[in-house]
Amino acid sequence: QQQVKQSPQSLIVQKGGIPIINCAYENTAFDYFPWYQQFPGKGPALLIAIRPDVSEKKEGRFTISFNKSAKQFSLHIMDSQPGDSATYFCAASKTGSNYQLIWGAGTKLIIKP
Amino acid sequence: NAGVTQTPKFRILKIGQSMTLQCAQDMNHNYMYWYRQDPGMGLKLIYYSVGAGITDKGEVPNGYNVSRSTTEDFPLRLELAAPSQTSVYFCASSSHSSSYNEQFFGPGTRLTVL
Repeated sequence: QQQVKQSPQSLIVQKGGIPIINCAYENTAFDYFPWYQQFPGKGPALLIAIRPDVSEKKEGRFTISFNKSAKQFSLHIMDSQPGDSATYFCAASKTGSNYQLIWGAGTKLIIKP
Repeated sequence: NAGVTQTPKFRILKIGQSMTLQCAQDMNHNYMYWYRQDPGMGLKLIYYSVGAGITDKGEVPNGYNVSRSTTEDFPLRLELAAPSQTSVYFCASSSHSSSYNEQFFGPGTRLTVL
């Protein structure tokens, strides 16, 4: 029930395409869903986050879509660029958990020029 | 403002040796975390702290110990290194006042146990 399942494990997209990364969760108590971006040799950094009271959130070229009934959320990257090549992690947490994040396994994204 | 700093960047240990991974933050954050990252496995929480003097176990605490004597520092101790502890270790911090619970990560320590 504490797991967050992320797919695909890896993804290759041509420049300008729209990569989509999906995550699914079981615990309906989760109320915070962030996406982190990690470049090689660096720590993860927060990219965008959503709470379940909205179905979509956009920040620049990055969009989270959230489906509460299906217990799924996804990351879309519009007009993808080679600089977006990184590993992306979804995560989830619940109020009262001391802000502990439960992490997906990660998706290695490569954007081909 | 250095953010979260970690030392060392790399370390090779022999089985049975001990070491301390250092972590410091200068953002006055209450919460600090230690994670390990294994290939294809995401991040696993080892220990966390909600403030100076308060620590608690995460998902994978066996083989590790922590202390939090100041707000700034959160060292992670490996007492008897084992090959299973070969991993990349990340320290992170967050402020309980942040509505989005953003965790700020250090650059990581790559540890190999031979």
